[in-house]
Order: sequence, then C-alpha cells, then structure tokens
Amino acid sequence: EVQLVESGGGLVKPGGSLRLSCAASGFTFSAYTMNWVRQAPGKGLEWVSVLSGSSSYMYYADSVRGRFIISRDNAKNSLYLQMNSLRAEDTAVYYCARAHSDTQPVQTGGFDPWGQGTLVTVSS
Amino acid sequence: QSVLTQPPSASGTPGQRVTISCSGSSSNIGSNYVYWYQQLPGTAPKLLIYKNNQRPSGVPDRFSGSKSGTSTSLAISGLRSEDEADYYCAAWDDSLSSVVFGGGTKLTVL
Repeated sequence: EVQLVESGGGLVKPGGSLRLSCAASGFTFSAYTMNWVRQAPGKGLEWVSVLSGSSSYMYYADSVRGRFIISRDNAKNSLYLQMNSLRAEDTAVYYCARAHSDTQPVQTGGFDPWGQGTLVTVSS
Repeated sequence: QSVLTQPPSASGTPGQRVTISCSGSSSNIGSNYVYWYQQLPGTAPKLLIYKNNQRPSGVPDRFSGSKSGTSTSLAISGLRSEDEADYYCAAWDDSLSSVVFGGGTKLTVL
C-alpha cells in the first residue's frame, strides 16, 4: 500500500524555523517527483514546492522562495521541508503529495496520493 | 485571489447532474494538463481527474472532466450525498513556474 506520513509540525514563534518530514512507503520513492502543498485553516489549497526524484529540479511558490528549502533522502524514502523565517501567514496544514505518475514531468499539477498532513502554527 | 477561478459554491439534489467550472489563462490551463481534486470534510485531498479527463482507478464514472481553451469543467452525474465536498482544479503555470489551484468550490447536496 502506498503511504505518506508527515511529521514535524507544531507551534513556532514568528521568525522561527521548523523542519517537516514525510516518510514514504509502498513504492519506489526515488522514481517519483514529490511535492509539498499547504492549506491554511478554512482556506483553499496552496502549492508550496516540488522536487524531482533525483533532486535535479526544484521549484518554489513565490510566497516561500528564499525561506523554505525542499530536499529528499532517497536512501531513507523521505522528503523534507526546512522552513525558516516563519510568518503568521505560513500557518497551515502541510501535505506531502506524490506525483501521480513516475513518468510525468516535474512541471505538473497531478498529485496522488497525499499524506494526512501536519499542522504548523506560527504564533507568538 | 486564486490564479484559477472557480465558483465558491454549487449545489444539486440527489440524482441531478452538477457542473463546476474553472477558468484560467494561456499560461496554465491553455497549455498544460488540468487536474481535479475532491476534499471531503476533515480529510486530505484526493485526485479525481488527471490529464484533463482521465479518471484514476476507483473513481466512479459519474465524475468526468473536460477542457476547452483556457477553461475546464468537472461534471458529476447521479449526484449522491457522499459527493458533498470541496472540489479544486489545478494546473502548472508556465509564467509563474508553479502549480496553481482554483479557490475551491463547496458542493452541497440538498
């Protein structure tokens, strides 16, 4: 069974840092592009970042570029999101999401499956 | 405001056919595949339609997607109470070099 499990969320003060992790199982992790997508409380979905299977290609949303860093460890079947200089507007549930297909390009909006999400709250 | 535009709400009665629209531009819907997601209350989103009109295995054929130019739509036929959820469209945007989502449409089954 394909499974994605996020961890690392919590309460952090503005300006602080947090590192999210996503543990993958049930598929060949290195073959798939991986994404982070977030959802603020009561709001819609916002894409955050994408990283190709070999870590050769990565993109960020304008709202997080320069503050967040996406990375992966294929040996550990894990995806990470290092979040620095956090702001109140970064408060959201952060989802890890796999590319729908191992042949789809990095530049695509197809995510399947999604993890259950981890809540990040930025507040003083 | 979202790059892709969806109506904030839609509704229908059981058995009815409902359509949810999503409009964009030449840099996103006009030049890339569109994907649709269903998010049931309190759960993670689920892929409903990929590559404009393809259904993943397990998704009922009551759900269908179509695309024309810079607009796309999701149709749900034979509406059921369990279809009550939020629906989102998404596509890659070549100008922004990012994935863009619609603002979401809350579907109510009356």
